[in-house]
Amino acid sequence: NAGVMQNPRHLVRRRGQEARLRCSPMKGHSHVYWYRQLPEEGLKFMVYLQKENIIDESGMPKERFSAEFPKEGPSILRIQQVVRGDSAAYFCASSPQSQKNEQFFGPGTRLTVL
Amino acid sequence: KNEVEQSPQNLTAQEGEFITINCSYSVGISALHWLQQHPGGGIVSLFMLSSGKKKHGRLIATINIQEKHSSLHITASHPRDSAVYICAVDLDQFYFGTGTSLTVIP
Repeated sequence: NAGVMQNPRHLVRRRGQEARLRCSPMKGHSHVYWYRQLPEEGLKFMVYLQKENIIDESGMPKERFSAEFPKEGPSILRIQQVVRGDSAAYFCASSPQSQKNEQFFGPGTRLTVL
Repeated sequence: KNEVEQSPQNLTAQEGEFITINCSYSVGISALHWLQQHPGGGIVSLFMLSSGKKKHGRLIATINIQEKHSSLHITASHPRDSAVYICAVDLDQFYFGTGTSLTVIP
C-alpha cells in the first residue's frame, strides 16, 4: 500500500524556466493538498483539489502558479517563469474521500532556482 | 498575525528527559494535528485531535479546547526523536505553526 508519491524529489531550474511537480495520492484518496515550505519558514497552504476540481486556491500566488488534478494521473503543481524566491520544499498531501481532516504527506519536492 | 503559535522554537534535551512542546491557537478549530518533520525533510502525521488526549508509544498529545492550547509530550526521549515538530490547526484549510526543532543528545 504505497503512500503519497511525489516526483521529482529534487528539481533544479534556472530563472525563467518552468517547474512541474507531480503528486500521486494514496490509493483510494481523491483529495489532494499542496503546501510550500520556504527556507527558514513554516509550511503554508497553497491549494486544495479534488479530481478535476479546484476547491480552494486561496494560498496560491496569483501569477505563474497553477495546479490541476485530472481524472487520470497525478496532480500537477506548475510554476511558470520561476524566480529565485520560488526555491522551497513543496509538499503534497492526500486524504480519503470522506475524511478531509486526515491527511497523509508525501516526501516533498525540493525546488532550487539558480 | 499567526493563527498558530508554538513554543519553544528550539529545544535541546538529554536522552531520557521528558519533553513538552506547546501550541496555542487563536481561532475555533475542527481539529488540531501534530506533525513530525525529520532532517531529511519528510513529514509524518503523529496525531489528529479534536478533544482530550491521545497516546502512541512514548508520544502523548493533549488538547484543551476552551483554552485553545495543545501539548505534545515525549517520554524517555531518544536521539531518534530529534526532528522538527509542527502543530497545525484545521479551519477551512491547514494553518501551521513555525515548528519546534528538537535535538536529543545521547
